[in-house]
Formats: sequence, structure tokens, C-alpha cells
Amino acid sequence: KNEVEQSPQNLTAQEGEFITINCSYSVGISALHWLQQHPGGGIVSLFMLSSGKKKHGRLIATINIQEKHSSLHITASHPRDSAVYICAVTGGGADGLTFGKGTHLIIQP
Amino acid sequence: GAGVSQTPSNKVTEKGKYVELRCDPISGHTALYWYRQSLGQGPEFLIYFQGTGAADDSGLPNDRFFAVRPEGSVSTLKIQRTERGDSAMYLCASSSDRVGNEQFFGPGTRLTVL
Repeated sequence: KNEVEQSPQNLTAQEGEFITINCSYSVGISALHWLQQHPGGGIVSLFMLSSGKKKHGRLIATINIQEKHSSLHITASHPRDSAVYICAVTGGGADGLTFGKGTHLIIQP
Repeated sequence: GAGVSQTPSNKVTEKGKYVELRCDPISGHTALYWYRQSLGQGPEFLIYFQGTGAADDSGLPNDRFFAVRPEGSVSTLKIQRTERGDSAMYLCASSSDRVGNEQFFGPGTRLTVL
């Protein structure tokens, strides 16, 4: 079974700061997902990647398959970025997603 | 187009009762997943459907939990003899075609067992 670890668990930063959230997993995967969850439960998919790097607006996700590690970066952070960010993987013997516990991000104005 | 919908959004029930949670996936999505999320935790996989069949039900915690998808679209998660430990957010997601594609999540059903 894949173990997905995220760090930090909680992160509070000031508006404008560069944010990095890390994710590591234990078993080879077919894809890694970064998800955003706002209070109340709704989950939105931010990225799905299996190699390299992807960028959407101020969000950047990278993955290093050899090191079994991914990072999510937020540039010029804004209070509306405050949410729980969850790393999840597919593959490694599982059909569904295997999730990390999430990183609770608060951006203060 | 419509996203994934789940009903009810909230369900409060008493210990020992039976509950049904419904998921309407995105039209045309053949893959459907159920997950459970306890407070402060990441979601955990329950069951995966490909079409009408449960391709992987290894995440169902015990035989009180059962899910169906009789026509390959709407799915119902059924919980018998509910226990307080079943209280959680139940999330449904769908994706096109196969495992590994991007999953689209519904808003979830918050189940509270008193």
C-alpha cells in the first residue's frame, strides 16, 4: 500500500509570500494529483502529473519520479489561496486515489 | 455542463439506522469512486466502479457498507446498522474511461450518526 506524506501539516504566511508544500510517496505511481479543498468539503483538482512540471497561473507543480517526491508552489500568495491542499496518487496497486492528510494553508492579508 | 452532484448534502441519523447516499456523476463518465473523509484527515478510498460493476471494493470497511451502480450512471452507497464511527464526509468522484484520469469530485454528503 502506498504511503503518502505531506509537509507541512499547517502553514500560515503573509500575502505575497512564495509558498511550497511537499509530498512524498513510498511506491511507484502512475500519476500524482494536487487537490484543493475549501471549508465545507468541496474538492477541486489542481494538477495531475506523472513527470516534470506543470503551471496554471500562480500555481506550479513539480514531480521527481526517481525520488518519489512532488512539490506544489504558489507564487504571490493571496488570502483567497487559503484552503487545504491535498496530495494524492494513483497506481501502486490501488484503483482509487491514495491521499495525504493535507496541508492547511492560511494566507494573512 | 453539470458537475458531480451528491444528495443529501447533510444526513443526520440515529445509531442502528439504515442510510443511502446518492451520487450523480458527470454524464458519460464510466469510472466512479466513493471516498470517506473523517475530520482532519485526508479522504480514504472505499470503492471504484467501472460501468455497472464494482471493479475494486477493497476499501469498504465491513459488510455493513454496500454500493451499487445498476445502470452505470447514478451510484448509491448504502450503510446498514449505522454506528457513530461512520460519521464522516462521504465524497464521490467520477472520471472518464480509466483509472488514472483526472477525477472530478462532488460536494460530499456529511453523515452524522448520533
